[in-house]
Amino acid sequence: DIVLTQSPATLSVTPGDRVSLSCRASQSISNYLHWYQQKSHESPRLLIKYASQSISGIPSRFSGSGSGTDFTLSINSVETEDFGMYFCQQSNSWPYTFGGGTKLEIK
Amino acid sequence: DVQLQESGPGLVKPSQSLSLTCTVTGYSITSDYAWNWIRQFPGNKLEWMGYISYSGSTSYNPSLKSRISITRDTSKNQFFLQLNSVTTEDTATYYCARRADYYFDYWGQGTTLTVSS
Repeated sequence: DIVLTQSPATLSVTPGDRVSLSCRASQSISNYLHWYQQKSHESPRLLIKYASQSISGIPSRFSGSGSGTDFTLSINSVETEDFGMYFCQQSNSWPYTFGGGTKLEIK
Repeated sequence: DVQLQESGPGLVKPSQSLSLTCTVTGYSITSDYAWNWIRQFPGNKLEWMGYISYSGSTSYNPSLKSRISITRDTSKNQFFLQLNSVTTEDTATYYCARRADYYFDYWGQGTTLTVSS
């Protein structure tokens, strides 16, 4: 199975900061990498598909980049509503797998 | 709008089978896409369990292959998860989700399942 490693595990930031979350794959997955946000007591919500493609209804401050094994989710000017967990997911090969998550918390 | 809603017993004893239902509204599960079960363990790890496609074909995570079955009732626009011989390690929040192409675009709100005697 492809292992996705997210870092850091926890990121403490101040509203208005620009942040970058990392997801690294154990082998090349091209651009078959997707990002989700999960707020407390809610289900995950799709943020970015295919590493860098935007999703309708998601604020433009969220962007993604990368290909192969290294991927980044960036949030330009974090807002209080952005705090929660972020997960990456690969769909290059079965079984689909998820990263362990990064918790974005208020400093 | 597409909505998914899980339902289940909440508590199951070890060695028993668990059965969960996902009711879909706003889209027919026989029209397109794959309809999935995903679980989230305490500590937040997510695991894809399997799917049933719009045509009725199924695919399962090899880690569960001997214990899992996903079926559907097209007349009720529902699909189901059965997991046999559960242990405490199956304690998790279970989500149903629609897979569009290669990503999950709609999720249910999740149902918590505890395995305990």
